[in-house]
Amino acid sequence: AQKVTQAQTEISVVEKEDVTLDCVYETRDTTYYLFWYKQPPSGELVFLIRRNSFDEQNEISGRYSWNFQKSTSSFNFTITASQVVDSAVYFCALKGGGTSYGKLTFGQGTILTVHP
Amino acid sequence: DVKVTQSSRYLVKRTGEKVFLECVQDMDHENMFWYRQDPGLGLRLIYFSYDVKMKEKGDIPEGYSVSREKKERFSLILESASTNQTSMYLCASRPGLAGDEQFFGPGTRLTVL
Repeated sequence: AQKVTQAQTEISVVEKEDVTLDCVYETRDTTYYLFWYKQPPSGELVFLIRRNSFDEQNEISGRYSWNFQKSTSSFNFTITASQVVDSAVYFCALKGGGTSYGKLTFGQGTILTVHP
Repeated sequence: DVKVTQSSRYLVKRTGEKVFLECVQDMDHENMFWYRQDPGLGLRLIYFSYDVKMKEKGDIPEGYSVSREKKERFSLILESASTNQTSMYLCASRPGLAGDEQFFGPGTRLTVL
């Protein structure tokens, strides 16, 4: 069975602070994919990043960066110099390999509030 | 851009009513999904469909059924709505390739009184 755990239920920071959202996953598959999605107040989930299990390179996209470590089964997300527009619910998700037809297992979500 | 649309943003129904939630995608995606989102539980998969007229149960299918008569449309049906089905319902679609991300609709917030 697959499982995704996001340690923080809610995080509150002040603008320009750096913030890290933790994600730990469990799977028996050797091939799998990890995702981060953002859900702003409008409600629609927005795709942020995908990582496959064979690519442990960290990734940076503007103020966003992701740290994937297979040894600890973690895929953490850092926002540098946070802004009010970053306020949203963030979900980490896992798709196993095989014929799972893209079924995603989501974490519980982390509510991030960035105060001006 | 991929567009996934859902028939209603907000819906209020009474206990025992039959409820239809409609989802349409315009990018010829093979896979479509219905999730419900509840605070503290994240998104949980109700049903998914990997082709027309094909469907598979997700993690919480009880009390729901689905219909996919055309590739672009995936309907979620609550045969007899109950108050514990009050939730946010999210539809998603995905191309048939492994590892591709899912594209989500804006969600339907359903309240069952």
